[in-house]
Amino acid sequence: DTAVSQTPKYLVTQMGNDKSIKCEQNLGHDTMYWYKQDSKKFLKIMFSYNNKELIINETVPNRFSPKSPDKAHLNLHINSLELGDSAVYFCASSPRGPNEKLFFGSGTQLSVL
Amino acid sequence: GQNIDQPTEMTATEGAIVQINCTYQTSGFNGLFWYQQHAGEAPTFLSYNVLDGLEEKGRFSSFLSRSKGYSYLLLKELQMKDSASYLCAVRDWRDDKIIFGKGTRLHILP
Repeated sequence: DTAVSQTPKYLVTQMGNDKSIKCEQNLGHDTMYWYKQDSKKFLKIMFSYNNKELIINETVPNRFSPKSPDKAHLNLHINSLELGDSAVYFCASSPRGPNEKLFFGSGTQLSVL
Repeated sequence: GQNIDQPTEMTATEGAIVQINCTYQTSGFNGLFWYQQHAGEAPTFLSYNVLDGLEEKGRFSSFLSRSKGYSYLLLKELQMKDSASYLCAVRDWRDDKIIFGKGTRLHILP
C-alpha cells in the first residue's frame, strides 16, 4: 500500500533513555515532517526536510535529532528523554506544488515514565 | 508570527448542519487546510482553499475570505461518524510551514 508508515506505534520508556522513531513514505514526496501532538491535542511542527535537507527546525531542544538518510525516510532520535516529551509524534510527507497537503503517518504514542 | 483561532468544542445533532469557524493572522498566507482527526488516529485531509469562495465536496464545504482572515468548514447531514476534531491549518509561503490551530472537537448527539 502507498502510505506514510512510522514505527513503533507505542513507545513506553524511562526518563533519561534514548529512543528512535522511524518514518518511511513511498509516495514519492520530496518533503517530510515531524509534528508533536500534546495532551491537549495541539499539533505543533518540529522539523521539515526537503530532499534530505533540513528546512524547518522549530526551536526544538537539541535532544531531538532528525535524520534523513534519503528522501523517503525521516527518523527522529530523542536523547535523555524527559517526562514532558510524552506525546504523540506524527510523521508526515507532502509533494511539491501549490496544494501541498500533508499525508500523515499513524502516529507514535510516546510515554515517558 | 501566526495565530489561528477556532472554537475548542461544539455540539450538534445527527442530521443537522454545523459550521466550524477559523480565524487566522499571518503575513505570508498561501492556503488554508481543514483536516479531520478521529480520536487515536492521524489527521486526514478534508479541504484546501487558497482563493476566496466556497469549495464543496459532498457533505463538506469550506469557505475562505482572505481579506477577513476567516474560513469556515460546513458539515451537512451530520452523521455519528463525524464526531471528531477538526483542525484548521494555514500555509505560510515565507517558510513553507503548515501551522495548525488547536482544533475543534465536534460532538454529535443522536
